[in-house]
Amino acid sequence: ETGVTQSPTHLIKTRGQQVTLRCSSQSGHNTVSWYQQALGQGPQFIFQYYREEENGRGNFPPRFSGLQFPNYSSELNVNALELDDSALYLCASSLDRGSSLNTEAFFGQGTRLTVV
Amino acid sequence: AQSVTQLGSHVSVSEGALVLLRCNYSSSVPPYLFWYVQYPNQGLQLLLKYTSAATLVKGINGFEAEFKKSETSFHLTKPSAHMSDAAEYFCAVIPISGGYQKVTFGTGTKLQVIP
Repeated sequence: ETGVTQSPTHLIKTRGQQVTLRCSSQSGHNTVSWYQQALGQGPQFIFQYYREEENGRGNFPPRFSGLQFPNYSSELNVNALELDDSALYLCASSLDRGSSLNTEAFFGQGTRLTVV
Repeated sequence: AQSVTQLGSHVSVSEGALVLLRCNYSSSVPPYLFWYVQYPNQGLQLLLKYTSAATLVKGINGFEAEFKKSETSFHLTKPSAHMSDAAEYFCAVIPISGGYQKVTFGTGTKLQVIP
């Protein structure tokens, strides 16, 4: 068990709706990264937050947005859901931004989002 | 731009047999390399990582991987497969100049262990 928890574990939404996914980081970790893992694919980096500021973003449209709170927990928000947004969403927390790769990123179990 | 290729989306081995999962990277400069394991309905767990120290890297659960610059490869091996090794395995690369925000994952290899 990594200490990174995500909620909810499963979610079904209708196309066009908005969704918020939550991630509680491992104690003491100030960095959180979010990934989208479509069925049969590897995870794709969405964005990273370090001390409440966005610190890098992957190739995802602006309707994917995030927040990190003072306690370093985080949210991923997706607006105007599309069918292709159906995926497992993973968050990972680490002690720093990952510039030192002696720092390991710990993953949560993910939220399975289904858009119908 | 970096990329990573995992040959074989599915690999089956008998219990006790050698496990070999292949990973090749494409990068102008040798990157940092990782292997992760994902059990059903779980997140990713780090097995091992190469960060330009020793080319033979030992990880958890008896796995190891060897970085071969001439072959641009980082194949994962385990001498003797256990039933508990059945899972999906992902190779990932991060450029030396970047952190986890620049990670690229492969498409994964599902390992089946046959009793």
